[in-house]
Amino acid sequence: QTTLKESGPTLVKPTQTLTLTCTLSGFSLSTNGAGVGWIRQPPGKALEWLAFIYWDEDKRYNPSLKNRLTITMDTSKTQVVLTMTDMDPVDTATYFCTRMGAWANYYVESWGQGILVTVSS
Amino acid sequence: VMTQYPATLSVSPGERATLSCRASQSVGSDLAWYQQKPGQAPRLLIHGASVRATGIPARFSGSGSGTEFTLTISSLQSEDLAVYHCQQYNKWPPMTFGQGTKVEIK
Repeated sequence: QTTLKESGPTLVKPTQTLTLTCTLSGFSLSTNGAGVGWIRQPPGKALEWLAFIYWDEDKRYNPSLKNRLTITMDTSKTQVVLTMTDMDPVDTATYFCTRMGAWANYYVESWGQGILVTVSS
Repeated sequence: VMTQYPATLSVSPGERATLSCRASQSVGSDLAWYQQKPGQAPRLLIHGASVRATGIPARFSGSGSGTEFTLTISSLQSEDLAVYHCQQYNKWPPMTFGQGTKVEIK
């Protein structure tokens, strides 16, 4: 069974850097074709793609946020880390870790439960 | 840009629900639908415009190609109360979502 679990701070201050970790279970990024991404959803609003990384370390970022985002995977390929710099109250959202469609099919096969991150001083 | 309509749909149990999604340019068949129940993460229903994901009931079906897509719930159940999102994965940026359609039970 594939699961993804997000962890990280639920409250950050404006201008701080957010670091979120996604822990994979039932699969890893050592599997050829596998990919993991991040998507966020502000309260009551639409989903917004942030970034994804594939097994071959191919990384893509939402161009509207690219300068603020970094996505990496650890050496075991069972954790994916997203960092977002210069946080602002408009970045308050639920952040979801996602399993991407295999072989660069850029839809979401499965979702983590999400973590609500609030940006406030 | 992905546009979903209507924004809210009120349907009686057992009736058909038809949700629409329009792309501002052709995305071929690279279109997915997700269901998001209150307080939950979304769930994949359809990819490739018409391919049901594993475990999705047959009452959910997707159709369309190019710029016009439809998600049909053939016989609405009370547990289908949710927001439904469409997402294209053909054009750059590779994952753009619609604003969602909220399905209410009449």
